[in-house]
Amino acid sequence: GQNIDQPTEMTATEGAIVQINCTYQTSGFNGLFWYQQHAGEAPTFLSYNVLDGLEEKGRFSSFLSRSKGYSYLLLKELQMKDSASYLCAVREGDYKLSFGAGTTVTVRA
Amino acid sequence: GAVVSQHPSWVICKSGTSVKIECRSLDFQATTMFWYRQFPKQSLMLMATSNEGSKATYEQGVEKDKFLINHASLTLSTLTVTSAHPEDSSFYICSARGWTDYEQYFGPGTRLTVT
Repeated sequence: GQNIDQPTEMTATEGAIVQINCTYQTSGFNGLFWYQQHAGEAPTFLSYNVLDGLEEKGRFSSFLSRSKGYSYLLLKELQMKDSASYLCAVREGDYKLSFGAGTTVTVRA
Repeated sequence: GAVVSQHPSWVICKSGTSVKIECRSLDFQATTMFWYRQFPKQSLMLMATSNEGSKATYEQGVEKDKFLINHASLTLSTLTVTSAHPEDSSFYICSARGWTDYEQYFGPGTRLTVT
């Protein structure tokens, strides 16, 4: 099974940077995903890491260290619309995803 | 591309009745579809994995006779909640995986309320 931990809540100011950490323990690791989920909506894909290192995509970046079982999602130049829940998910095997409990990010003006 | 739809988006039913939720991949063929359940302020919990033309694989603790899954074609999977109880009230989300994509594409979810 999976053990995926991420902080419950984070608050930041508009224009700032926030880093959401995720640690995991798993067998058969085959990639780590970050999703954004607004209340009452389905998750939307943000990033995917399978090799160690940093993946940058616009204002969002994601980092993975497989040896440490650690990832983070970096949100830069925060906007009010970035207020949402951010889910860390680990893929085991070909396709099965296990999700963390999510981190609720609140962006304040 | 890669759009997944769900129907209905919300449904209210009485205890003891059955409810069917449809999940469709609109512009791609989905070899595998997944059904998740999400309770308020909790994360997604995988219920089952369905492959087109074969029986679904259920996660531990999920009753296969209560949550019937049918994946009759490459674009449609259905989840039927049988003999619904108030504790089945939840947000049900499906996702679909294409032939080669590593990514799962999520539907908009179905909010089920059992009274």
